[in-house]
Amino acid sequence: RKEVEQDPGPFNVPEGATVAFNCTYSNSASQSFFWYRQDCRKEPKLLMSVYSSGNEDGRFTAQLNRASQYISLLIRDSKLSDSATYLCVGGEAGYALNFGKGTSLLVTP
Amino acid sequence: ETGVTQTPRHLVMGMTNKKSLKCEQHLGHNAMYWYKQSAKKPLELMFVYNFKEQTENNSVPSRFSPECPNSSHLFLHLHTLQPEDSALYLCASSPGLTSGMSSYEQYFGPGTRLTVT
Repeated sequence: RKEVEQDPGPFNVPEGATVAFNCTYSNSASQSFFWYRQDCRKEPKLLMSVYSSGNEDGRFTAQLNRASQYISLLIRDSKLSDSATYLCVGGEAGYALNFGKGTSLLVTP
Repeated sequence: ETGVTQTPRHLVMGMTNKKSLKCEQHLGHNAMYWYKQSAKKPLELMFVYNFKEQTENNSVPSRFSPECPNSSHLFLHLHTLQPEDSALYLCASSPGLTSGMSSYEQYFGPGTRLTVT
C-alpha cells in the first residue's frame, strides 16, 4: 500500500501552546485527506477533512500542499483534552483510506 | 454514538476455540472494513468489502475468515488463533468505494478487544 508518513512523536507541549503536525504521502493519485484522532484504547474518530484551500474548525487548522504532497494540522491554545494520537489519512478514489501510523500528542498542565 | 456497533466488546478465547466478531452499521453505507490494532501499534487493514463483495485481503492468515451477508453486517470468524492475534479488532464503514470519485471518510466501531490464551 502507498504510504502516509508522519513523525510518531511524542510531542509534549504545555497547555495553551500551539503545535503543528506534518505528514507526507507518496501516492500522487490521492484525492481525499483527513485527520483522525485516536484516544488510548479507543477507536479512531474523524477530526476534520482537509481541503485544498485549507480549512479551520475552531482551534484546529488543516492545510494541504499537493505540489509537495504534505498535509499539516495546527492546534492552537492546546487543551489537556487534546492529548491523543493524531492520524493522517489519504485516500485514492476506489480504494480504502490509507492511515498513517499516528503522531502522539501530550499536553501538560 | 451508535452508527457502527461491534459485539462482543471483549473476548477471551483459547487457541482451539471458534468464535465470531460481529459488526453492524446503521449509516446506510456500502463499504465495510476490518482492521487489527495490536497494543501501541498502528492500524492494519485486513479486509475490505464494497457492496458485499470482498475487494481487498491484505495477506491475512486463513484462521481469520470474513463474511459480509449484506451491506449492513460484517462478521469475522476466528478459529485456531495464536496468542499474537491478541489485539483490538476494529470495524469501519464508509458510503462506498467508487472509481473516479473521491474517497469518503470512514466511521469506526468501538472495537472488540480480543485476548487469545
